Amino acid sequence: QQQVKQSPQSLIVQKGGISIINCAYENTAFDYFPWYQQFPGKGPALLIAIRPDVSEKKEGRFTISFNKSAKQFSLHIMDSQPGDSATYFCAASKSASGSRLTFGEGTQLTVNP
Amino acid sequence: DTAVSQTPKYLVTQMGNDKSIKCEQNLGHDTMYWYKQDSKKFLKIMFSYNNKELIINETVPNRFSPKSPDKAHLNLHINSLELGDSAVYFCASRQMGGIAGYTFGSGTRLTVV
Repeated sequence: QQQVKQSPQSLIVQKGGISIINCAYENTAFDYFPWYQQFPGKGPALLIAIRPDVSEKKEGRFTISFNKSAKQFSLHIMDSQPGDSATYFCAASKSASGSRLTFGEGTQLTVNP
Repeated sequence: DTAVSQTPKYLVTQMGNDKSIKCEQNLGHDTMYWYKQDSKKFLKIMFSYNNKELIINETVPNRFSPKSPDKAHLNLHINSLELGDSAVYFCASRQMGGIAGYTFGSGTRLTVV
């Protein structure tokens, strides 16, 4: 079963707009929630990550909002730029030894100039 | 200086052939992974090694056999290739128990014809 569900599947935003991608997870043992950015022909690259002891983390134009009770987290990209056009993946894992990253289905973001 | 490198980047082969993909990381990480990305871009874990020991073995056909000669290398050998094996295979590494995320290679696009 899909333990991390991501939406929307695709997103088109105008330059300067806010891009919002949402994820929901099922396993309450997850304690690490990263977002990855993937450009065509490249591997996923870590963008920003959060642990459940905080509700928000901001790095530049990228912010993760985390709602532990709802088991949801989201990525906000402020002032979206054409260079942000990529596929974004949310993921979740446990810190414990032997853990693996479980990915969401991915969101194809297109930022129009 | 590439952190996680995979070879080859592209692999086109006929059904029934046997092929290998190699991965090397120079980050000093102790855990390495193979992920498969299908045509819909969904990322699914296949295997993980920690200090040369297999710790994750998902439901993968036994035609796929990983090998880790040391903690900096993880190879993937595939026997009797099938059309459905066509995908992008990513190698990744991390330091178990560390707070940093996974570092992915740039992928190997396998096409079985």
